[in-house]
Amino acid sequence: GAVVSQHPSRVICKSGTSVKIECRSLDFQATTMFWYRQFPKQSLMLMATSNEGSKATYEQGVEKDKFLINHASLTLSTLTVTSAHPEDSSFYICSARGSLAHQYFGPGTRLTVT
Amino acid sequence: DQQVKQNSPSLSVQEGRISILNCDYTNSMFDYFLWYKKYPAEGPTFLISISSIKDKNEDGRFTVFLNKSAKHLSLHIVPSQPGDSAVYFCAASKDNQGGKLIFGQGTELSVKP
Repeated sequence: GAVVSQHPSRVICKSGTSVKIECRSLDFQATTMFWYRQFPKQSLMLMATSNEGSKATYEQGVEKDKFLINHASLTLSTLTVTSAHPEDSSFYICSARGSLAHQYFGPGTRLTVT
Repeated sequence: DQQVKQNSPSLSVQEGRISILNCDYTNSMFDYFLWYKKYPAEGPTFLISISSIKDKNEDGRFTVFLNKSAKHLSLHIVPSQPGDSAVYFCAASKDNQGGKLIFGQGTELSVKP
């Protein structure tokens, strides 16, 4: 099946700093990637849709200036959490769109802001 | 506004028996439904899907049933195995939404030996 990687798998940063998370589709090209966050015991909440070569589309309530998304190639999308705060601590997961509505998910990134 | 709901946060089943996970949705425009399995600190993995033009799809031990009039779908796992223990998410999409998925809250399945 399709493989999606994320890097880093875990990151701890200090409040006020920025963190970049990479999402790569390893064996297929993805014109569309998605970014989710998941709080403990809760569902995956879609944050934004990332389209290669164009601006990301953000879901209601997600600050686009805080969560910067770049999809510069067909295999790479990045999420940068700017000026991170402890409430941004979460599990961030990306996915790449395959055929039909299937999405192939990365393994996730655990962000802890101290 | 929770468009996709999984009202049972957890389910415990004996090994070898059937596991039935339920999912309800409110938006009649959804036309494709998927089930994902997720382990802690990992991304979801795709299990099985169903189009709104069907009412059943089967893949090995996994069967998904769709009742459009009731806006309800269910995942049946037969026979259940301890390795099936995980959190199961149902998700729905609309064809004109660019593949965007709306997830339910998840049901944690525990299969006991």
